[in-house]
Amino acid sequence: VQLMESGGDLVQPGRSLRLSCAASGFTFDDYAMHWVRQVPGKGLEWVSGISWNSGFIGYADSVKGRFTISRDNAKNSLYLQMNSLRAEDMALYYCARALYYYGAFDIWGQGTMVTVSS
Amino acid sequence: QSALTQPASVSGSPGQSITISCTGTSSDVGGYKYVSWYQQHPGKAPKLMIYDVSDRPSGVSSRFSGSKSGNTASLTISGLQAEDEADYYCTSYTRSSTLVFGGGTKVTVL
Repeated sequence: VQLMESGGDLVQPGRSLRLSCAASGFTFDDYAMHWVRQVPGKGLEWVSGISWNSGFIGYADSVKGRFTISRDNAKNSLYLQMNSLRAEDMALYYCARALYYYGAFDIWGQGTMVTVSS
Repeated sequence: QSALTQPASVSGSPGQSITISCTGTSSDVGGYKYVSWYQQHPGKAPKLMIYDVSDRPSGVSSRFSGSKSGNTASLTISGLQAEDEADYYCTSYTRSSTLVFGGGTKVTVL
């Protein structure tokens, strides 16, 4: 059972970036998926979540209108499209699995770093 | 979406018990059973320790237990061990259909 994030990079403020999370070792469409971020040395912040069939999606106020979560169950993949990036979006982004949308995150990836700087 | 309130730090001697509180409102912690706790060692991804207020995932030591009273959830670590030294975070589902984390608690084993 594994989650592997990718796509993190150094990007200028105002630009866009797309993160991916590849799942393996479990039936991907049995689970909701989430993105959680962490500024190095700081606490965890929930970013966004999506139900197993994409029927329910939620966002933190801090990213609503700028970030879009999506999933492709045929590819066992989760995505986070991040637009209009700000300095405060700079963080390590984790994807995490949950048995149901409002449930606990039982499997986490190792994270991918997003750096926003000019 | 205000963060749940946790003490910044808690410490205890080996073998002792400690409790970490996580205070929210009736719109999150007090309103749902979907409170979970995570342990994070430096440089590592978080690990689920408690879910649905008081349930323990397979493989997690029985020294870890969770409870809730009103708008405050708690994580208790019994028989404190050196390996328990880490950061601990609570999280809860909210009435806004979002999730919110606590600010985190650093546990130090003296």
